[in-house]
Amino acid sequence: AQTVTQSQPEMSVQEAETVTLSCTYDTSESDYYLFWYKQPPSRQMILVIRQEAYKQQNATENRFSVNFQKAAKSFSLKISDSQLGDAAMYFCAYRSARRDLKTGAQKLVFGQGTRLTINP
Amino acid sequence: GAGVSQTPSNKVTEKGKYVELRCDPISGHTALYWYRQSLGQGPEFLIYFQGTGAADDSGLPNDRFFAVRPEGSVSTLKIQRTERGDSAVYLCASSSGPYNEQFFGPGTRLTVL
Repeated sequence: AQTVTQSQPEMSVQEAETVTLSCTYDTSESDYYLFWYKQPPSRQMILVIRQEAYKQQNATENRFSVNFQKAAKSFSLKISDSQLGDAAMYFCAYRSARRDLKTGAQKLVFGQGTRLTINP
Repeated sequence: GAGVSQTPSNKVTEKGKYVELRCDPISGHTALYWYRQSLGQGPEFLIYFQGTGAADDSGLPNDRFFAVRPEGSVSTLKIQRTERGDSAVYLCASSSGPYNEQFFGPGTRLTVL
């Protein structure tokens, strides 16, 4: 079974600076997706960025970028020019690229989360 | 609506009572997932629907939990004889698109006293 580990329960950063959130995962599959989700106090899970395992190039979305190290099974999120609105829980998640052979499901497996605080 | 909606937003109940949690997925999305998020944890898979059928219920913790999706749209998660350990945020997601991306609702926070 796949597992996702976020070893930083809490992180803080000064506004306008850069912060990196860590994530490691374990899988025996070669084709999969990795995600970072943001969950503000409203509880809405918002997709921040997606990485396809077969792509060597790291994904970027504006101020958000990832460092994907497939061999090391590491998937960190870098937030540049941090803004007050970035404050939230951040979850790393894994999903197989294939549907479950029996059920067709594509379940997300989440880490425990990192609470990010932005200091003004 | 444009996104996934869930009702109620918050539900407080007493131990032993029955509760129903509702999820309205994005129109046209055939895949629907329920997850449970305990305090301080990431969401954990409960059940998956493709259309009207529960294709994968392997995440349901025990037989007090049940979910339906009779017309392939709205889904209801039902919990019988609630226990304090059932207290959590219950998230629903519907899925579509080339990446089968899951779009989440705002969740229902269930508190069992």
